[in-house]
Amino acid sequence: DAKTTQPTSMDCAEGRAANLPCNHSTISGNEYVYWYRQIHSQGPQYIIHGLKNNETNEMASLIITEDRKSSTLILPHATLRDTAVYYCIVRVAGNTGKLIFGQGTTLQVKP
Amino acid sequence: DAGVIQSPRHEVTEMGQEVTLRCKPISGHNSLFWYRQTMMRGLELLIYFNNNVPIDDSGMPEDRFSAKMPNASFSTLKIQPSEPRDSAVYFCASSLGDGGVNTEAFFGQGTRLTVV
Repeated sequence: DAKTTQPTSMDCAEGRAANLPCNHSTISGNEYVYWYRQIHSQGPQYIIHGLKNNETNEMASLIITEDRKSSTLILPHATLRDTAVYYCIVRVAGNTGKLIFGQGTTLQVKP
Repeated sequence: DAGVIQSPRHEVTEMGQEVTLRCKPISGHNSLFWYRQTMMRGLELLIYFNNNVPIDDSGMPEDRFSAKMPNASFSTLKIQPSEPRDSAVYFCASSLGDGGVNTEAFFGQGTRLTVV
C-alpha cells in the first residue's frame, strides 16, 4: 500500500473552511484515497473516499489532483467539534485491501 | 444497527494473566480488523479477517497474541501472558467488501487495556 504524508498539525478558525492536504506520490491505479478522523478517546470515523474524481458528502469534500499524487480534504465550515486527528489513507480496492493509518494531522479548531 | 460492539470497555490485569478482548461486528459485514493504539506507535493494524479467514496477521507483535473469528458475528483477540507494554487501546472495526469496492470501516469504541 502507498504511504501518505500529512502535516503534523493545523489550526483553523471556527466557521472557516479547513483544508487538510495529503501527499501520496506513489499511489497505484487501483488504490483509493480514504479520509478518517479520530476525536479524542473515540474510534476512528469514516469521512469520505475517492479514486480520481472529486467527491462531496454531508461531512466534507475531497479534491484529488489530476495525477492523483495528492489530495485535499475540505471541511467547509469548521466547528469546534471538528477538532480531531485526520488520517489520509490509500487503500487497495477489493476485499483484502488493508487500512493502514499513519500519524495524521491534528486539526485544532479555535473560536 | 448498534454498530461494532467491543467488550470490555476497560480491562485492568496483572502481568502474566491472560486477557481476552471481544468484538461483535456489524451484521452483514465480512471484513474485520483489530488495531492497537498507543501514544508512541499510533494506530497499528494487528490482523484482519475476510469472511472469517485471517488474511494478514503480519502486524501481530508476537506469539503471545492470537486472534480468532469462529463465525461472522464474533471475534476475539487474546494475549497470553500479558505484559505491561501491551497496555493500549484496542479497536475492532468491520466493513463490507463487495467485489472491487470497499465500503467504509466502522470502528468500535475500543477496549482500554492496562497491564500492571
